[in-house]
Amino acid sequence: EAQVTQNPRYLITVTGKKLTVTCSQNMNHEYMSWYRQDPGLGLRQIYYSMNVEVTDKGDVPEGYKVSRKEKRNFPLILESPSPNQTSLYFCASSLNNPSYTEAFFGQGTRLTVV
Amino acid sequence: AQKVTQAQTEISVVEKEDVTLDCVYETRDTTYYLFWYKQPPSGELVFLIRRNSFDEQNEISGRYSWNFQKSTSSFNFTITASQVVDSAVYFCALSEGPGTASKLTFGTGTRLQVTL
Repeated sequence: EAQVTQNPRYLITVTGKKLTVTCSQNMNHEYMSWYRQDPGLGLRQIYYSMNVEVTDKGDVPEGYKVSRKEKRNFPLILESPSPNQTSLYFCASSLNNPSYTEAFFGQGTRLTVV
Repeated sequence: AQKVTQAQTEISVVEKEDVTLDCVYETRDTTYYLFWYKQPPSGELVFLIRRNSFDEQNEISGRYSWNFQKSTSSFNFTITASQVVDSAVYFCALSEGPGTASKLTFGTGTRLQVTL
């Protein structure tokens, strides 16, 4: 089954404790990205990757890191989480192809930083 | 810069009513793609439709229909004979380049509540 898998689904952590949210897709997609969803703001892109070892900042990259060592994985790293990073996070993947119809989204990770 | 505006924050309707969700976008690109996603209470994002900027033909899929008008930069979504299962947050989104291999700019969403 084609899917994007995020882990964990829920996470409560304390300020300053490094954490990683994993994202894996099994569709051999080139393009992967991370979004955060906040009330009244919709979804905003954090980082994206066009392919292995190619990453770039989105609209709200501060406080986040990413890596793309393998095509299937695109982890989101919070080196020193702060309460303003409490949010719902989504990973997405798609083919880098104009004919491709949709982006696949993971189930979401609800992060609370206290 | 890309921008998507969903002016309706919340809409409440009674089952079987028709409802239209508005979406207005801004872009300088001549080629762009518009999307609608549904987010049910369970939280996942469900893809509903993609529309290319060069195809203004309206689309109908069951009870769902979409009206794309470049002249007014709008891409409105209508649910006919709404049902309780339609209760969700609906997002309109715009991609800045070909296909979906580029950033999606989302609107702030419209929460639809359908009651019996």
